[in-house]
Amino acid sequence: GQNIDQPTEMTATEGAIVQINCTYQTSGFNGLFWYQQHAGEAPTFLSYNVLDGLEEKGRFSSFLSRSKGYSYLLLKELQMKDSASYLCAVYSGGYQKVTFGTGTKLQVIP
Amino acid sequence: DTAVSQTPKYLVTQMGNDKSIKCEQNLGHDTMYWYKQDSKKFLKIMFSYNNKELIINETVPNRFSPKSPDKAHLNLHINSLELGDSAVYFCASTQGGARNEQFFGPGTRLTVL
Repeated sequence: GQNIDQPTEMTATEGAIVQINCTYQTSGFNGLFWYQQHAGEAPTFLSYNVLDGLEEKGRFSSFLSRSKGYSYLLLKELQMKDSASYLCAVYSGGYQKVTFGTGTKLQVIP
Repeated sequence: DTAVSQTPKYLVTQMGNDKSIKCEQNLGHDTMYWYKQDSKKFLKIMFSYNNKELIINETVPNRFSPKSPDKAHLNLHINSLELGDSAVYFCASTQGGARNEQFFGPGTRLTVL
């Protein structure tokens, strides 16, 4: 089976940096996604990591360590609109399936 | 242009009824999914179709029956609705398999009374 863990909630200040961690245990790991979901809306794609290391995309960066079963999403220069849930999701096995974690609800405060 | 659309957006119904949710994507993708997101916001895959063929069925009760008339459409029919079916149901699509970004529909909020 698969196990994906994320903190349930986090709070950070506008303009600051926040790191949202995700740990996973799975067999046949292929890659890891991060999605953003605002309240009442659909998830939207942020990043996909296959290889170890940091990938930067504007204010958002995502890191992966395959040997440690660990990823994080780094959000810089936080804005109020970044208040949302951030979902870590693992693509593993030979099936066309992505398994989502329970998500981290981030609240950005002034 | 709407990429992935679902109807209806809201659905309120009584226990025991049968209802359907429709999903359409105009992205030309070959793979479509149904997810259930419960009150704790956990997004769980239910079904996946690739070119109209069922490839994932995540031990969903038989009361749930997906149908894909063509690769742009994936509908979900639910028989004998139960209280525990209340959730937001998301349709999603992707091209070339699960290694690629999924595009989600706006969701259908189902409330069973």
